[in-house]
Amino acid sequence: DAGVIQSPRHEVTEMGQEVTLRCKPISGHDYLFWYRQTMMRGLELLIYFNNNVPIDDSGMPEDRFSAKMPNASFSTLKIQPSEPRDSAVYFCASSSRDRQEKLFFGSGTQLSVL
Amino acid sequence: RKEVEQDPGPFNVPEGATVAFNCTYSNSASQSFFWYRQDCRKEPKLLMSVYSSGNEDGRFTAQLNRASQYISLLIRDSKLSDSATYLCAVSDSSASKIIFGSGTRLSIRP
Repeated sequence: DAGVIQSPRHEVTEMGQEVTLRCKPISGHDYLFWYRQTMMRGLELLIYFNNNVPIDDSGMPEDRFSAKMPNASFSTLKIQPSEPRDSAVYFCASSSRDRQEKLFFGSGTQLSVL
Repeated sequence: RKEVEQDPGPFNVPEGATVAFNCTYSNSASQSFFWYRQDCRKEPKLLMSVYSSGNEDGRFTAQLNRASQYISLLIRDSKLSDSATYLCAVSDSSASKIIFGSGTRLSIRP
């Protein structure tokens, strides 16, 4: 079992650039979550999907953020244009219907926007 | 007010001590409750779920108080390896959306 796979592990970019974060959930899991973690705000839920359909995106900060899940094995979180305040660790997590509570997290993407 | 609140700590206790932290939540319709552990620069990992009747896993005991809307975690006979950040997590009424507290940092000293 490969676990939740995120890429890239680290991303350094300049303000105004587009950033795309990628996530491959655990095979068979039908829930996928995107979280953002900072020292100031802790671990914030941005959006989550069930069976590839976005269920709640109320945590998405603003229109610069968008997330897609074109199929059961892939999701992206895009920031366009990026700003320095977007710097954070972005985690993707997945879970199954039967054991919703057990979230399996990826290793995260450390994003730095200069 | 945040949906899930924790004392950020840090808690600095000697090895062998007993330490406890609480976490409060605002949504009275919350269905499920958990404690996660996060090591420095790592992802959170599930430590234990919290059941209404309370539950124990070795040195760890978790309890839920629905009336006062808080959950607690007790660690007995603490080990150096228990040093980490402990995050509480609460689901909404659908049991799908999981919200985390900011975490409580625990440091165990020799």
